[in-house]
Amino acid sequence: DTGVSQDPRHKITKRGQNVTFRCDPISEHNRLYWYRQTLGQGPEFLTYFQNEAQLEKSRLLSDRFSAERPKGSFSTLEIQRTEQGDSAMYLCASTRLGGADYGYTFGSGTRLTVV
Amino acid sequence: AQTVTQSQPEMSVQEAETVTLSCTYDTSENNYYLFWYKQPPSRQMILVIRQEAYKQQNATENRFSVNFQKAAKSFSLKISDSQLGDTAMYFCAFMKLKEDTGTASKLTFGTGTRLQVTL
Repeated sequence: DTGVSQDPRHKITKRGQNVTFRCDPISEHNRLYWYRQTLGQGPEFLTYFQNEAQLEKSRLLSDRFSAERPKGSFSTLEIQRTEQGDSAMYLCASTRLGGADYGYTFGSGTRLTVV
Repeated sequence: AQTVTQSQPEMSVQEAETVTLSCTYDTSENNYYLFWYKQPPSRQMILVIRQEAYKQQNATENRFSVNFQKAAKSFSLKISDSQLGDTAMYFCAFMKLKEDTGTASKLTFGTGTRLQVTL
């Protein structure tokens, strides 16, 4: 068990470009969450999957954001036409269906800087 | 909607001393969990301790313990015998359990307390 992996660790992009992040959860975890953390703030929920189904999306997730989890394994988060306000740390976490008893396991995050 | 408030942006404690981090929350739910997470500089978020709302007994994990006051909606974290490795951001988080399945849902985090442990 290598934990939750996120790639890349850092991404610098120009405003208007598209970016895609990847998250590989712990293999036996069927729930996968995406959070966004801006400087000085706690993480904010974006969306979550149970297996391959996307069950909830936050209002923070504008039309420019899309997430997928094909085959219920890894997940990708894509941001189209990036804006400077998208600069943040994007965190992925996974948990088993029971969730609360086991807690979340977080990845190290992808830090996005939009210039 | 739930809210979590951490009123101490920064705290400092000397090594081997005890420190208490505050957290209050607001919810109308009865069935929920509360968590403290630790985020060291440039490292991933780690679960420190969890508390189930229906349990009156305060959770403890080695040097970490909580004071859970359900009626007051307060959930403070006490770190005893502080160590240099405890230096980190600490986040209080709330999670309600889904009504239909009793399973986990999303976490709602506070803004965090930056703890510095000094020699």
